[in-house]
Amino acid sequence: KNQVEQSPQSLIILEGKNCTLQCNYTVSPFSNLRWYKQDTGRGPVSLTIMTFSENTKSNGRYTATLDADTKQSSLHITASQLSDSASYICVVSAGLGGSYIPTFGRGTSLIVHP
Amino acid sequence: DADVTQTPRNRITKTGKRIMLECSQTKGHDRMYWYRQDPGLGLRLIYYSFDVKDINKGEISDGYSVSRQAQAKFSLSLESAIPNQTALYFCATSDGPGNEQFFGPGTRLTVL
Repeated sequence: KNQVEQSPQSLIILEGKNCTLQCNYTVSPFSNLRWYKQDTGRGPVSLTIMTFSENTKSNGRYTATLDADTKQSSLHITASQLSDSASYICVVSAGLGGSYIPTFGRGTSLIVHP
Repeated sequence: DADVTQTPRNRITKTGKRIMLECSQTKGHDRMYWYRQDPGLGLRLIYYSFDVKDINKGEISDGYSVSRQAQAKFSLSLESAIPNQTALYFCATSDGPGNEQFFGPGTRLTVL
């Protein structure tokens, strides 16, 4: 069964600090992995996509990494801001021969305090 | 203007009532999805449709039904609402397998 596990479940940090969120998956065959940001009361919005051949991708202060061998991804947030407070969801899609429905993690809730 | 819209945004209803949540999109995508979100459980798939004549059950379809009236419209119905269907409901669209999903603003449903 395809699964996506995220850790930690929640995280509180001070403004300006860095943090790293983790995602482990067992989706097969792997097609891509996305990180979504969901602000409270809103729908998720895609931050970044990682394909099999990519190890690192940045989007401003967000940097995603992918290790396809260990089936792990991380999302690193640099110099956090209050607006980074949100839920971050890891979503993995299967490739040809697998389910065409993406598998969602339960998310990591990040709170940034001033 | 929003690309994916949902109506209503908030709804309070009573046990046993029939409820319809509507989703419209202007992105021209063929694929549409309905999810529910509960605290601590993340987003769970209720139904999905890959084109107008295609309807598929997700992992938690019991108690729900859907209708794909057109490429741009996908409605979710609760035939007889029960309190444990209280949740935040999201509609999403995409234009292909593995492609980015675009979410609506959500409908907060409370069943008393």
